[in-house]
Amino acid sequence: EAQVTQNPRYLITVTGKKLTVTCSQNMNHEYMSWYRQDPGLGLRQIYYSMNVEVTDKGDVPEGYKVSRKEKRNFPLILESPSPNQTSLYFCASSLFRVTDTQYFGPGTRLTVL
Amino acid sequence: EDKVVQSPLSLVVHEGDTVTLNCSYEVTNFRSLLWYKQEKKAPTFLFMLTSSGIEKKSGRLSSILDKKELFSILNITATQTGDSAVYLCAVEARANYGGSQGNLIFGKGTKLSVKP
Repeated sequence: EAQVTQNPRYLITVTGKKLTVTCSQNMNHEYMSWYRQDPGLGLRQIYYSMNVEVTDKGDVPEGYKVSRKEKRNFPLILESPSPNQTSLYFCASSLFRVTDTQYFGPGTRLTVL
Repeated sequence: EDKVVQSPLSLVVHEGDTVTLNCSYEVTNFRSLLWYKQEKKAPTFLFMLTSSGIEKKSGRLSSILDKKELFSILNITATQTGDSAVYLCAVEARANYGGSQGNLIFGKGTKLSVKP
């Protein structure tokens, strides 16, 4: 089954404790992206990747890192999480471009205390 | 600063009504506009629009883009309770230094509630 998976789905952590949210797709897509969604602010793009080893900043990259060492995986790293990073995070992938049909993961709800 | 503004922010209608959702944008180097539907989970793709005046249609949903006036509308006819969702508009806004595109700017969404 074609899908985008994210782990963990729910996470409660404390300020400053490094964490990684994994994202994996099995559709051989070249484009992958991370978004965060906050009430009243809608979806905002954090980082995206056009292909392996190619990443670029979205609108809200501060406090996040990503890597794309393999086509299927695009982990989101929070080196020192802060409470303002409490949010719902979505990973998405599409065949080549952001405007190709994006397949979204189920979301990761992160709470930073 | 690039921005995408959707209106109304929320809307309550009754089954059978027709609704029009609006999306206006101010972006540098516009490339395309996309509509998504989000129920209680991840967004799902509805339409992508790149050319003015060409209507995209899928069942009871249709959308059109006006690149001169910088807006798009999403129409839903004969609404059903299953249309209740947040509708998101997004614009592909700019190319990065390498010439490829990948950045999407979203509006805050319109929450549509359809009552039986």
